[in-house]
Amino acid sequence: NAGVMQNPRHLVRRRGQEARLRCSPMKGHSHVYWYRQLPEEGLKFMVYLQKENIIDESGMPKERFSAEFPKEGPSILRIQQVVRGDSAAYFCASSRARNEKLFFGSGTQLSVL
Amino acid sequence: DQQVKQNSPSLSVQEGRISILNCDYTNSMFDYFLWYKKYPAEGPTFLISISSIKDKNEDGRFTVFLNKSAKHLSLHIVPSQPGDSAVYFCAASAEPGFGNEKLTFGTGTRLTIIP
Repeated sequence: NAGVMQNPRHLVRRRGQEARLRCSPMKGHSHVYWYRQLPEEGLKFMVYLQKENIIDESGMPKERFSAEFPKEGPSILRIQQVVRGDSAAYFCASSRARNEKLFFGSGTQLSVL
Repeated sequence: DQQVKQNSPSLSVQEGRISILNCDYTNSMFDYFLWYKKYPAEGPTFLISISSIKDKNEDGRFTVFLNKSAKHLSLHIVPSQPGDSAVYFCAASAEPGFGNEKLTFGTGTRLTIIP
């Protein structure tokens, strides 16, 4: 029974490059959430998606960040022109329905050099 | 602006004793509270929750207490076991109907159980 799968586990990028983080939700889950954890801080909500729809992106930075959850395939969090301040752990979570328990993946640690 | 605060970054407790982790919040719109446990290199795992209409919820060795007037909640683990050693995050939601999105997390407390 595979849980929420995130890849890669670690991603190193130089300033100005693009970062793509992938998340495959648990089987049967159609709700996906992205959270970011900066060093010494708690997890912060970024975006909530259902298949092919962005439901709430109020936590997403206004520029350079985008997210999608296509009909087929994983959810992608894309960060363009990365800067050092983007270095963080990015966690994806999924749920079967909006008000059901969240299951988190193991996260992607992004390091920007 | 840290709306959910865990003021103790770390806590050490003897095996078999009670562990008490504390959490304070400032947003009076929060009406649903959760505790998550996180091991290194893993994602947070849901532990227990409580809605604002209750002041206590118990699940096995874990009990969460909510004091709305003080905007304070606590997690009690008794008896503490070595496998409980982890980082514990308090989280809160202001979404109606126990909405899971837009959880606001605290910074976590690292609990170490001493054998």
